[in-house]
Amino acid sequence: GAVVSQHPSRVICKSGTSVKIECRSLDFQATTMFWYRQFPKQSLMLMATSNEGSKATYEQGVEKDKFLINHASLTLSTLTVTSAHPEDSSFYICSAESLGGAGTQYFGPGTRLLVL
Amino acid sequence: GENVEQHPSTLSVQEGDSAVIKCTYSDSASNYFPWYKQELGKGPQLIIDIRSNVGEKKDQRIAVTLNKTAKHFSLHITETQPEDSAVYFCAASRDSNYQLIWGAGTKLIIKP
Repeated sequence: GAVVSQHPSRVICKSGTSVKIECRSLDFQATTMFWYRQFPKQSLMLMATSNEGSKATYEQGVEKDKFLINHASLTLSTLTVTSAHPEDSSFYICSAESLGGAGTQYFGPGTRLLVL
Repeated sequence: GENVEQHPSTLSVQEGDSAVIKCTYSDSASNYFPWYKQELGKGPQLIIDIRSNVGEKKDQRIAVTLNKTAKHFSLHITETQPEDSAVYFCAASRDSNYQLIWGAGTKLIIKP
């Protein structure tokens, strides 16, 4: 149980294009989903927290107009990197916390984004 | 702000030996402490977690201990195997609806 999927697993795009990443909880309903960014050999950096049906809460320094988050259902959240630039290249990982899950987060496999 | 310190950053042990990774947290209101294993190019995988109402939890070769007074918790892996090689992260939070505060990670290398 507690499986989280992400799609795509990797994406290469040209500078200036937008990229959408999907995060799905496959066998449970997620009240809260989290989006992280991870640079090589570093820990996870929380970008934003999203609750189903409400606006995401962004961490300090994360541009909400650049990283659009939509959490339209209890099993799906999307992250759109708008007008991507090479410095946005990174490993993006989502996690989901189940209803009544008391804080336990289950992570997706991650999406490797490379912006040329 | 709250932070979690994790040591060591790299740990190399002989296959079959035990490995111990330690974390210290600053927020005394923290009451949930998960450990994640991350293999190269993959997302973190929850391997064990503990809540503040217990001092120790075991799951086969993996155990976690918690000392709330000292605000530190540790991961113990016994009889290590090559597949245990990965980066391990500790984290702490105040429970649901609070973000996880992450340690910097420990690269565990199991030598055959």
